[in-house]
Amino acid sequence: GQQVMQIPQYQHVQEGEDFTTYCNSSTTLSNIQWYKQRPGGHPVFLIQLVKSGEVKKQKRLTFQFGEAKKNSSLHITATQTTDVGTYFCAVLSSNDYKLSFGAGTTVTVRA
Amino acid sequence: DAGVTQSPTHLIKTRGQHVTLRCSPISGHKSVSWYQQVLGQGPQFIFQYYEKEERGRGNFPDRFSARQFPNYSSELNVNALLLGDSALYLCASSWDLNYGYTFGSGTRLTVV
Repeated sequence: GQQVMQIPQYQHVQEGEDFTTYCNSSTTLSNIQWYKQRPGGHPVFLIQLVKSGEVKKQKRLTFQFGEAKKNSSLHITATQTTDVGTYFCAVLSSNDYKLSFGAGTTVTVRA
Repeated sequence: DAGVTQSPTHLIKTRGQHVTLRCSPISGHKSVSWYQQVLGQGPQFIFQYYEKEERGRGNFPDRFSARQFPNYSSELNVNALLLGDSALYLCASSWDLNYGYTFGSGTRLTVV
C-alpha cells in the first residue's frame, strides 16, 4: 500500500504562534485525508483533498495538496490549547480502499 | 443523529481466547472499516466492507476476520488471541468508499 511520511513527529508550540505539519509520499497520490485525534480520543475527519494544488481552509486551519500530488501540508495559525492532539494524514488506495495513515504529528501547546 | 457506536468499550481477554467486537455505522453509511491502533502509532487498516462485501484487507493474520450484516453493522472477530493483539480497535463508517470516515470511540482490548 501507499506510504506517507509525516514530519515533524512532535511539535511544541507557544500559544498564539503558527506551525505547519507536512505529509510526503514518493508516489503520486489520488487523494489525501487529514484527521485529528485528541489524547485518549479517536480520529476525527478534518478534510479530504483530491485536486492538484488544492487549498482548503477551516477557520485557522489551512490544508494544501501539492502540485505534483506527492505531498500535503496542514498549517495552523494562532495556535490555541484546543489544537492539542495528534494530526494524521491518510491516503485512500483506489484499488482496495485501504486508508493508510501516517505516523502523525503530536502537537503540544505552551500557554 | 447517533455516531458510530462500538461495543464493548473495554475488554480483557486471556491468551488463546477469541473475541468479537461490534460496530454500528451512522445511519445511511454503507461502508465500514476496521483499524488497529497501538499506543503511539497511527491506525493500521484491517478490513474494509461495502454493501456487505469485503473490499479490502490489510496485512493481518487469518486469525482476524470480519463481516458486515444486512443492516450494515459489522463484527470483527479475532481468534487465538496473542499478547500483541492488545490495542485500541477502531471502527469507521462512510457514505461511500471515497469519502472521509467517521470513527467510533473504539474498543480497548487487553490480552493477558
